[in-house]
Amino acid sequence: KQEVTQIPAALSVPEGENLVLNCSFTDSAIYNLQWFRQDPGKGLTSLLLIQSSQREQTSGRLNASLDKSSGRSTLYIAASQPGDSATYLCAVRRSGGYNKLIFGAGTRLAVHP
Amino acid sequence: EPEVTQTPSHQVTQMGQEVILRCVPISNHLYFYWYRQILGQKVEFLVSFYNNEISEKSEIFDDQFSVERPDGSNFTLKIRSTKLEDSAMYFCASSPSPGNNAGEAFFGQGTRLTVV
Repeated sequence: KQEVTQIPAALSVPEGENLVLNCSFTDSAIYNLQWFRQDPGKGLTSLLLIQSSQREQTSGRLNASLDKSSGRSTLYIAASQPGDSATYLCAVRRSGGYNKLIFGAGTRLAVHP
Repeated sequence: EPEVTQTPSHQVTQMGQEVILRCVPISNHLYFYWYRQILGQKVEFLVSFYNNEISEKSEIFDDQFSVERPDGSNFTLKIRSTKLEDSAMYFCASSPSPGNNAGEAFFGQGTRLTVV
C-alpha cells in the first residue's frame, strides 16, 4: 500500500531564504508525482508535475526533483517571500494509468518579513 | 485559464438529509475524481470516473455515495443520509487525455460540507 510522507510538517523562515521540502513514498511504481499548494480553507493549486521518467521540473522560483528508485522528491523554493506562505502537498499517482492520487499530509510553510 | 468549478462553496445540512455537490470539470478532460479532506487531515480519494462509469472507488465510497455525469459538462457527488462524520471539504478534480502533461490533476476550490 502506497504511503506518502512529508518532512518537515511545519517550517517558519525569514523572507529570502532558500527552502527544501521533502516528500517520500513507499512504492516506486508511480506514474507521476505532483506538488500542490493549498491556502487555508481553499482548493489545491497544481505547482509542478513530474512524470516517472523525468528527474526534475522547474517553474519560476520552484524546482522539483524526483528520485523514483529511492522513493523521494524534493521541492526547492528559491528566495522565499511572504506570499509563499501556504501548505505544500505532495501526491503520487500509481503506475498503470490515471489512477488516484495518494497525498502526503503536507508541509505548512510560514515566511515572515 | 480553464478551471474546475464547484458549487456551492459551502453547504450546511442536517444529519440524515441528502446533499448533491456539483462540479464542472475542464471541458476537454476525460477523467474525473472526487476527494475529501476532513479538517486537519490528509486529502483522501473517494472515487474516479471515466467513460461514464466508476473506474475506482475507495472504502469510504460506500452505498451512501453516488456519482453521476448527467450531461456533457456536470459531474455530481450525491451523499444520502448524511452523518456528522461526513463534514469535510470535498474536492472535484479532472485530468486530460494522455499528452505532454499526462495525468496532471486540476482541482476545484472545494465545497465545505457541514453536517449539523
